[in-house]
Amino acid sequence: DTAVSQTPKYLVTQMGNDKSIKCEQNLGHDTMYWYKQDSKKFLKIMFSYNNKELIINETVPNRFSPKSPDKAHLNLHINSLELGDSAVYFCASSQGGVGAYEQYFGPGTRLTVT
Amino acid sequence: AQSVTQLDSQVPVFEEAPVELRCNYSSSVSVYLFWYVQYPNQGLQLLLKYLSGSTLVKGINGFEAEFNKSQTSFHLRKPSVHISDTAEYFCAVSDIGNQFYFGTGTSLTVIP
Repeated sequence: DTAVSQTPKYLVTQMGNDKSIKCEQNLGHDTMYWYKQDSKKFLKIMFSYNNKELIINETVPNRFSPKSPDKAHLNLHINSLELGDSAVYFCASSQGGVGAYEQYFGPGTRLTVT
Repeated sequence: AQSVTQLDSQVPVFEEAPVELRCNYSSSVSVYLFWYVQYPNQGLQLLLKYLSGSTLVKGINGFEAEFNKSQTSFHLRKPSVHISDTAEYFCAVSDIGNQFYFGTGTSLTVIP
């Protein structure tokens, strides 16, 4: 029943490690997103994919790489994790591209880098 | 690029009192406007949106917002809040450049 799901919900890891966060949506949407929410609740879009094609790629370190195997999945891979990467990462999807369409959010993945 | 300003980072209000959460955006070009709510330890969900037409928009849970183009504002209101409305509220703007911008959020705390 879950519209947008993310795994894992919590991720604790050490600096320098590589980790992935998975996202799946069962809404049949064409567009998926990754957001980062910092400790002050500030939300920033990182990436947006439309039908497996990257359409938004905000200024994020190239240690972050999104992968979209099909339009229902958008995974986030992070290399060489740093302390500043600690945040909550949200996946979202929408019917169309960025614009007038409501975005549906996943429950978030809390990443803690020690 | 757009900027979205939520003037109040924290708003405490007593139960059953009215509340207004303020949002201003930077550009007067055609925009779409949204309010999202984030309950503790959850993702965001849409409260309401303005795309076009009537400037007064009604959303879920008794919330409404008014689009004011001349003042580039989209303030959120509720006439009587409940404890369950305690959450973080985000204003968001999408422009014709297909960029999506969130405000910094307003933490609403409803006091019994």
